[in-house]
Amino acid sequence: RKEVEQDPGPFNVPEGATVAFNCTYSNSASQSFFWYRQDCRKEPKLLMSVYSSGNEDGRFTAQLNRASQYISLLIRDSKLSDSATYLCVVSPYGQNFVFGPGTRLSVLP
Amino acid sequence: DAGVTQSPTHLIKTRGQQVTLRCSPISGHKSVSWYQQVLGQGPQFIFQYYEKEERGRGNFPDRFSARQFPNYSSELNVNALLLGDSALYLCASSRDREFGAFFGQGTRLTVV
Repeated sequence: RKEVEQDPGPFNVPEGATVAFNCTYSNSASQSFFWYRQDCRKEPKLLMSVYSSGNEDGRFTAQLNRASQYISLLIRDSKLSDSATYLCVVSPYGQNFVFGPGTRLSVLP
Repeated sequence: DAGVTQSPTHLIKTRGQQVTLRCSPISGHKSVSWYQQVLGQGPQFIFQYYEKEERGRGNFPDRFSARQFPNYSSELNVNALLLGDSALYLCASSRDREFGAFFGQGTRLTVV
């Protein structure tokens, strides 16, 4: 089983839609959690950290369920500029970041 | 402040050659990590350095080596290149693990 798994995608949604991405991780010692976005042939960029209490940044909401080892990202009112690959990242305490394979999102006009 | 900078941006090498990739972290960041990203996959961890000491190593062969200098910049070396080493090599720096890591634009290595 891979350390971090994500929805296989791709997701094709119309502008204005709400889309949710799911991620599961296998290492229960994971302490830090993030969502990154990566545009085609560009470097990953930090989108947001994920906290146990859940957190929101504008149209983006991230949730963490430690008991289920599950992370989610919700994008509301999606824009064309949201088209990218979304990477789920976990980090066990004191260790490197482990990336999921990514889920590609295409927002269509 | 400048972000993470990597050089070169693109590189073409032949099988069996050696390559050195360079990275300068964000000012004040003491941790540098290297990742390999093959098309269609997420980045795979290669090395992490903190305060010039290796803090972690991923599942890569001994052909891969790295080091960190007193100014916290870093080099990744790959010897005896194989076709399968063709990938985007990403460097990331971080101040504190809790705040995530910031990536350079990467070096796209093509081995022919």
